[in-house]
Amino acid sequence: DTAVSQTPKYLVTQMGNDKSIKCEQNLGHDTMYWYKQDSKKFLKIMFSYNNKELIINETVPNRFSPKSPDKAHLNLHINSLELGDSAVYFCASSQAHGQGGTEAFFGQGTRLTVV
Amino acid sequence: KNEVEQSPQNLTAQEGEFITINCSYSVGISALHWLQQHPGGGIVSLFMLSSGKKKHGRLIATINIQEKHSSLHITASHPRDSAVYICAVRTLTTSGTYKYIFGTGTRLKVLA
Repeated sequence: DTAVSQTPKYLVTQMGNDKSIKCEQNLGHDTMYWYKQDSKKFLKIMFSYNNKELIINETVPNRFSPKSPDKAHLNLHINSLELGDSAVYFCASSQAHGQGGTEAFFGQGTRLTVV
Repeated sequence: KNEVEQSPQNLTAQEGEFITINCSYSVGISALHWLQQHPGGGIVSLFMLSSGKKKHGRLIATINIQEKHSSLHITASHPRDSAVYICAVRTLTTSGTYKYIFGTGTRLKVLA
């Protein structure tokens, strides 16, 4: 049973479209994250939610909107896709974001290609 | 200059060698993570440290908070250890939220 699962694994879409990437964790963790890995393999955090509340919101275009319907899900919605959005997006979760927090568990990644 | 620097950027070793990957950072942190990214792209969290040393199998991670430095050691390296190893630090911002800063990764190749 996959601990952190993302769908879809691959997504190819045209510029200007709106798309969503879903993430679910079955670990009972209270914190979830979205990361972006660019073509140079550099990893950056985009958002983090703790118990459905946004706690990290790095400088990302407001075309990107995270949605957390419950603490087991953190979906990423992207409006008006641009070529530069092409990247691999990783979802992750951990327990207790503070000092006593656990390691993060990562999903397998979603490779988004905008054409 | 990145706030998190890793060295070396690339490393090729022979099977069985002892490997050390270093991470230095210039900010105050509340935790440091070591991640492993396999050639297929999947990411695994290896360690989260806030002090001292942790060991898991052939992997050992140490951190020196005063010197702002962490090392990841692999003993008796094996070709399946070939991956990119990423150091990431967690800092507390002035607004009270957390921020993660990632190193650019160390690409390790272990030859049989």
